[in-house]
Amino acid sequence: SAVISQKPSRDICQRGTSLTIQCQVDSQVTMMFWYRQQPGQSLTLIATANQGSEATYESGFVIDKFPISRPNLTFSTLTVSNLSPEDSSIYLCSVVLATQYFGPGTRLTVL
Amino acid sequence: LAKTTQPISMDSYEGQEVNITCSHNNIATNDYITWYQQFPSQGPRFIIQGYKTKVTNEVASLFIPADRKSSTLSLPRVSLSDTAVYYCLVDSGDKLTFGTGTRLAVRP
Repeated sequence: SAVISQKPSRDICQRGTSLTIQCQVDSQVTMMFWYRQQPGQSLTLIATANQGSEATYESGFVIDKFPISRPNLTFSTLTVSNLSPEDSSIYLCSVVLATQYFGPGTRLTVL
Repeated sequence: LAKTTQPISMDSYEGQEVNITCSHNNIATNDYITWYQQFPSQGPRFIIQGYKTKVTNEVASLFIPADRKSSTLSLPRVSLSDTAVYYCLVDSGDKLTFGTGTRLAVRP
């Protein structure tokens, strides 16, 4: 199994600012994933982050808006840039170790 | 990517068995069927995974017919704490595509 922690657990941000979310895993993993879950909705994959290479973004998500870092095999960050109220969501990271495990999520509210 | 269809919501009472069926008509040969549970303000949690026939673990059973175009998650004797959203996914490897999920409400 994997234990995943995320920081911050929640934040309230002003329009136009940025928020960086950290994801820490207790095991070394090759692939980490970032998902977004808008209020009352299902999860949508934002990007896949491999250590040592550029993240791969899903349709509708771009690097300028959601830059991702993956400096080592246990850590990743997702930045949500130039925030607007539409970015208010829960952001979750996940990893695959036999099955896919999810972090607790970061609840972002943009005013 | 294979799409899944499941009921939007279900109601049950404590102690009952709950069966949630999911259809995945275009499942590929190498795909697995996986179910996740999500409580409010938490990330999804793996429940069970199967390829065909029947799989059982300590919390649920998964029934998959021979054509694999559908699957049924069975939760025995549900309790109030089983109130959650349940997602059926066709697992094509690392990338998971979440459907709308089934919101299960368990009543006393």
